[in-house]
Amino acid sequence: GAVVSQHPSRVICKSGTSVKIECRSLDFQATTMFWYRQFPKQSLMLMATSNEGSKATYEQGVEKDKFLINHASLTLSTLTVTSAHPEDSSFYICSARNSPKETQYFGPGTRLLVL
Amino acid sequence: AQSVTQLDSHVSVSEGTPVLLRCNYSSSYSPSLFWYVQHPNKGLQLLLKYTSAATLVKGINGFEAEFKKSETSFHLTKPSAHMSDAAEYFCVVTDTGRRALTFGSGTRLQVQP
Repeated sequence: GAVVSQHPSRVICKSGTSVKIECRSLDFQATTMFWYRQFPKQSLMLMATSNEGSKATYEQGVEKDKFLINHASLTLSTLTVTSAHPEDSSFYICSARNSPKETQYFGPGTRLLVL
Repeated sequence: AQSVTQLDSHVSVSEGTPVLLRCNYSSSYSPSLFWYVQHPNKGLQLLLKYTSAATLVKGINGFEAEFKKSETSFHLTKPSAHMSDAAEYFCVVTDTGRRALTFGSGTRLQVQP
């Protein structure tokens, strides 16, 4: 089946610094990638949808200047958490698909801890 | 608009007994429905999906789900639970226009020996 990877799997950073998380589709071209965040013992909440070569579409309440998304190629999307604060600590998960009718495949997630 | 309600936040069963995880949905369109499983600190794995074909959908690891339009339900079942089934399960519905996924709140399945 299709494989999506994320890097890093876990990151700890100081408050005020920026963190970049990578999401890669390893064996298919991902025209669309999605970014979710999941707080402990809660469900996944969609943050943004990105199509290759286009600006990301952010969900209501998600600050686009704080969560920068780049989808420059068909196999890579990045999420940069700028000026991270402790409340940004969460589990960030990406997913990818190669067409609207196809299933989304999820990455293993990145656990971010901001001190 | 679309939404998903998972009726039980926690289900506990004994190994070898049946599993039932309940899900009700609301959608303005003909929905596509999914069940995903998430093991601790891991990503999500697709168990099965319904996309307007057969109403009884068979998935991996012996799981299946039945789409019942009249009841707006998509309950997940398994005849005999295994210890390795202990995990968090999410019922998911698509937004047909945008194909974004809306997740239920999750059901934690505990399997007792």
